[in-house]
Amino acid sequence: SQQGEEDPQALSIQEGENATMNCSYKTSINNLQWYRQNSGRGLVHLILIRSNEREKHSGRLRVTLDTSKKSSSLLITASRAADTASYFCATAMSGNTPLVFGKGTRLSVIA
Amino acid sequence: GAGVSQSPSNKVTEKGKDVELRCDPISGHTALYWYRQSLGQGLEFLIYFQGNSAPDKSGLPSDRFSAERTGGSVSTLTIQRTQQEDSAVYLCASSSEIEQFFGPGTRLTVL
Repeated sequence: SQQGEEDPQALSIQEGENATMNCSYKTSINNLQWYRQNSGRGLVHLILIRSNEREKHSGRLRVTLDTSKKSSSLLITASRAADTASYFCATAMSGNTPLVFGKGTRLSVIA
Repeated sequence: GAGVSQSPSNKVTEKGKDVELRCDPISGHTALYWYRQSLGQGLEFLIYFQGNSAPDKSGLPSDRFSAERTGGSVSTLTIQRTQQEDSAVYLCASSSEIEQFFGPGTRLTVL
């Protein structure tokens, strides 16, 4: 079963703009991870944030986590056409237990 | 080093046939996961192996599904008497700590 929801379900922006995707979840978590998927195949790990962290950065990515609201956001700055993909958040209740995925956001970056 | 590999890349089978899907995890990773991604169901956990512990089979949808992991490395997911609703992309992941690394998946089509 799905842990939560991402919103929006789909997002279309111009190259150079920022993209923000949100994720909500239902249960207590140990960590939350964001993944990217191109063409419906393999998932690429983007960034992990632990439950005791509030914000992390990696290159053009910024992730926030609000455990009181059970929500997270992924910000991609200065988007590029190559960022076009589906983005999923996934939560783990502890350590390396199986991930529970959201439904994903389809991002289209128009050149 | 090499990532997670899966074979075959694509599999087309007839309803009622058995299929075997293979996963080669990253060398040294103690945890191995199988997930399924299908239209309408999103990404869902199937089964999880951690070291020599008994696998967590709580995500398997029916007793037609089984998996084994030999020698703590390669894993095979077997689906017996396939049904059309088994059509999906089957993803394998491995991890040594928290971050999970995904393979490219096997697209299974049941006619």
